Amino acid sequence: DAGVIQSPRHEVTEMGQEVTLRCKPISGHDYLFWYRQTMMRGLELLIYFNNNVPIDDSGMPEDRFSAKMPNASFSTLKIQPSEPRDSAVYFCASNKPGTPRMQFFGPGTRLTVL
Amino acid sequence: GQQLNQSPQSMFIQEGEDVSMNCTSSSIFNTWLWYKQDPGEGPVLLIALYKAGELTSNGRLTAQFGITRKDSFLNISASIPSDVGIYFCAGRGGAQKLVFGQGTRLTINP
Repeated sequence: DAGVIQSPRHEVTEMGQEVTLRCKPISGHDYLFWYRQTMMRGLELLIYFNNNVPIDDSGMPEDRFSAKMPNASFSTLKIQPSEPRDSAVYFCASNKPGTPRMQFFGPGTRLTVL
Repeated sequence: GQQLNQSPQSMFIQEGEDVSMNCTSSSIFNTWLWYKQDPGEGPVLLIALYKAGELTSNGRLTAQFGITRKDSFLNISASIPSDVGIYFCAGRGGAQKLVFGQGTRLTINP
């Protein structure tokens, strides 16, 4: 079975540019999570969706960040405008339904904002 | 908010040695998960624990859910070079949100 798919794997952009990260969760999973990982702050939950509906976006740093899930097989995380402090690895994860729930992570997108 | 304290932060061991790491929480969790992250990859789930006192093994890995529901440990027996990586604990109190520890970086000298 295919795991969580993220694209691009690496993104280098200049400050002020718009960045869009993409995620395809595992088929049949009903929860989708976006995380950010940095050396200083570790793994931080940004937002998560259930059945395509945003449930908790309290981790989103500021209005420059937005996330959408238009259907069960696709989600985007957008940063506009990007800043150097946004440089991090962004992970998408999905949850299999039923109990017990376990999150499966994608390979991540390494974002560098110059 | 909920916080996890994972220790040690790093370990340098010889191949063949056993490894032990743990996580403690300031609050109760219903689920404990242990993940391993290799360089350039996402965390991979190793073991999931769902009941206080539960002891679960996955090959050379053994993890336990503490009786108080505020701690968990992970043991690796007879370490091998491919065990190198960063190990994370994660706890789930309610809803679907996981809280992650800071990670334990394992380095193995052959």
